[in-house]
Amino acid sequence: KQEVTQIPAALSVPEGENLVLNCSFTDSAIYNLQWFRQDPGKGLTSLLLIQSSQREQTSGRLNASLDKSSGRSTLYIAASQPGDSATYLCAFLAGGTSYGKLTFGQGTILTVHP
Amino acid sequence: DGGITQSPKYLFRKEGQNVTLSCEQNLNHDAMYWYRQDPGQGLRLIYYSQIVNDFQKGDIAEGYSVSREKKESFPLTVTSAQKNPTAFYLCASTLGRGAEAFFGQGTRLTVV
Repeated sequence: KQEVTQIPAALSVPEGENLVLNCSFTDSAIYNLQWFRQDPGKGLTSLLLIQSSQREQTSGRLNASLDKSSGRSTLYIAASQPGDSATYLCAFLAGGTSYGKLTFGQGTILTVHP
Repeated sequence: DGGITQSPKYLFRKEGQNVTLSCEQNLNHDAMYWYRQDPGQGLRLIYYSQIVNDFQKGDIAEGYSVSREKKESFPLTVTSAQKNPTAFYLCASTLGRGAEAFFGQGTRLTVV
């Protein structure tokens, strides 16, 4: 069974800190990995998509890396702001599996306090 | 603006009743998906559709049904056979396999 584990489950940091969210997955033959943000009671917002051939992707203050051999991805958030407070989810698409079926982790709840 | 629209935002179902959740996209994406989100369990795939008039069961399809008569629309019916339907339902779409997934704002279904 394919699984995704996100550590830590919750994180509280003061504004301005750089932080790292971790995602580990059991299937090394992934097709791609995607990071999402979810605000309370809302849908998912795509942050970054990393294809299996890539090592990292960057968007503004966000940087995501992918290490297929170790089954890990990290999301780095620089200079965190209160507006970054949300749940962050990672999900991977396994190679050779059903079309577009993403396997999700349970998320990391991030709180950035002023 | 392109995106995915889910309606209604909140839905209440009586015991034994069927209800239909709407999902419409104007992104011209071929594939559409329905996920269910429960606290502490992450998102689980209910059904997906790669193309009009075709759809496949996901991991938890029992008690649900879908149709894909138009590219833009992928409604989900929660039938009375679904014993624990209270959850947050999310619709998503992708341009193709391996493409970035986009999600709607969700429908919260509660059994009363």
